[in-house]
Amino acid sequence: AQKITQTQPGMFVQEKEAVTLDCTYDTSDQSYGLFWYKQPSSGEMIFLIYQGSYDEQNATEGRYSLNFQKARKSANLVISASQLGDSAMYFCAMREDYNTNAGKSTFGDGTTLTVKP
Amino acid sequence: DAMVIQNPRYQVTQFGKPVTLSCSQTLNHNVMYWYQQKSSQAPKLLFHYYDKDFNNEADTPDNFQSRRPNTSFCFLDIRSPGLGDAAMYLCATSRDHRGIADTQYFGPGTRLTVL
Repeated sequence: AQKITQTQPGMFVQEKEAVTLDCTYDTSDQSYGLFWYKQPSSGEMIFLIYQGSYDEQNATEGRYSLNFQKARKSANLVISASQLGDSAMYFCAMREDYNTNAGKSTFGDGTTLTVKP
Repeated sequence: DAMVIQNPRYQVTQFGKPVTLSCSQTLNHNVMYWYQQKSSQAPKLLFHYYDKDFNNEADTPDNFQSRRPNTSFCFLDIRSPGLGDAAMYLCATSRDHRGIADTQYFGPGTRLTVL
């Protein structure tokens, strides 16, 4: 089974609207971290937001928020007030306990977001 | 600004001609990673260094080697590039990969073309 699943290969959103990018994960660890990265066409992976498994509140960073539902093992990224510059590929990633995965991150297959003017 | 730098940004090589990609960091992070990313796919970890300790992924071809002469620099050597090695190569760093909150910071990548 895939550890990180992003079911939306491509998404479209109108400029200034909000959009949710889905991410579900699979782990038996109690302690883990979830990350979202943005990759524009230029190639650089940009860290957006982090959520720890023990964090009680959903993480927020500016226009980005993470809708963390632990029981459902989902960590969806919400982008509010979309801008043209948000058009990019978005990756969800997980870091499990060091004993589980030796400090490596597991990435999903990504979602390509296109913001329409 | 502290950052991860990769050179060159674009590299063209011929089939079978060795090539070296470089990565440097000013973040003073202990861990450095090399990823291979093919078009519209997730990045694939090739290897990583925790300080001087080298960790090779089991499915990384022998054609790929790495060196980390000091904390700041890390190199990826492709000894005999094949057409299938054409990809984006991403270098990343993190403070300490033993923690679940350890964030990776990526460089801009080197796009490798093999003719």
